[in-house]
Amino acid sequence: GAVVSQHPSRVICKSGTSVKIECRSLDFQATTMFWYRQFPKQSLMLMATSNEGSKATYEQGVEKDKFLINHASLTLSTLTVTSAHPEDSSFYICSARGPDWNTQYFGPGTRLTVL
Amino acid sequence: ILNVEQSPQSLHVQEGDSTNFTCSFPSSNFYALHWYRWETAKSPEALFVMTLNGDEKKKGRISATLNTKEGYSYLYIKGSQPEDSATYLCAFLNSGGSNYKLTFGKGTLLTVNP
Repeated sequence: GAVVSQHPSRVICKSGTSVKIECRSLDFQATTMFWYRQFPKQSLMLMATSNEGSKATYEQGVEKDKFLINHASLTLSTLTVTSAHPEDSSFYICSARGPDWNTQYFGPGTRLTVL
Repeated sequence: ILNVEQSPQSLHVQEGDSTNFTCSFPSSNFYALHWYRWETAKSPEALFVMTLNGDEKKKGRISATLNTKEGYSYLYIKGSQPEDSATYLCAFLNSGGSNYKLTFGKGTLLTVNP
């Protein structure tokens, strides 16, 4: 089946630093990837849709200058949390639209803790 | 804002019991309903993608039904095993716009006791 990797799985950083999270489709090409965030006891919330070779589409309320998304190739999308603050501490998870288009394949997620 | 509700929030069953849980979603602009199984520290795993009203899908001991007119889907697990312990997520895919975004419920956490 389609596999998506995500790195790092866990990161702790100081307030004010930037953190980059990578999402890779390992055995298929993904023209579209998605970035979600999950707060405790809440559902996965879509942050942005990342399309290869074009600008990401952000959901309402998500700051595009704070959450930089780059989808430079058909197998890699990155999310950079810039100038992270404690309120950015959350679980971030990516998915890639699969070859059958109708299914999304998820990475294992990244737990970000900002001190 | 699309509302996807799952119930119960959590469930404890004994090994061998059969169980089921519910996902309710908007009945308008329906495109597909996804079910995922999410074990701790792993990636959510796609179980079913359901698109047709009245659809019933099966994968081993797990099956799901879909009613798009009233906006609900049931997931059934027959003869639960400890390895079925996971969070089961449903996600609604609407037909509006060009991105076909998934809207998730909060999930049902299933614990199967040996």
